[in-house]
Amino acid sequence: EVQLLESGGGLVQPGGSLRLSCAASGFTFSNYAMSWVRQAPGKGPEWVSAISGSGSTYYTGSVKGRFTISRDNSRNTLYLQMNSLRAEDTAIYHCARGGIATHFDDWGQGTLVTVSS
Amino acid sequence: DIQMTQSPSSLTASVGDRVTITCRASQSISSYLNWYQQKPGKVPKLLIYAASSLQSGVPSGFSGSGSGTDFSLTISSLQPEDFATYYCQQSYSPPLTFGGGTKVEIK
Repeated sequence: EVQLLESGGGLVQPGGSLRLSCAASGFTFSNYAMSWVRQAPGKGPEWVSAISGSGSTYYTGSVKGRFTISRDNSRNTLYLQMNSLRAEDTAIYHCARGGIATHFDDWGQGTLVTVSS
Repeated sequence: DIQMTQSPSSLTASVGDRVTITCRASQSISSYLNWYQQKPGKVPKLLIYAASSLQSGVPSGFSGSGSGTDFSLTISSLQPEDFATYYCQQSYSPPLTFGGGTKVEIK
């Protein structure tokens, strides 16, 4: 059974930083692209970033230069380093299995990031 | 960026009704189109991938069609558990984008 467990969310002031983690199990992690997808309260899903199994990275425009996606295939873990956080980054952040030219077939329950002073 | 436009944004239907939701891409995305169902407080669930492939475990009453810029999701006979919000999503080119959603409510 595929399991994706996010951690690292919390309350942070504007301009602050957070590092999210997603521990994956139940599949061969290195074989899959992985993504971060966020959902603000009452809004639809928004794709944030993806990383291929070999490490190629992709970002949505609003986070380019501020967020960095990475993975450690030896630890079956996906990361999202978030810097210069803004109020509009407030959302539940989900890791999802899948990326470019594929589909999100499994999702974690998410970790809440709140950016507020 | 590729814009995904869903219609309608909401609909009211009865159990047993046939329901069709459409999704239009701002440029051709071949068949790189996925459909998700989301219920309140839950994560999105993949229903259809590659425009018309049924995800494992999803009831056969769901079907998808289309290619290029125009796509549709059809529920052949609406069941009580199908009342939810549905999203299309393109995976053709980053940034990956979702439609605005279609909320299916009970009549």
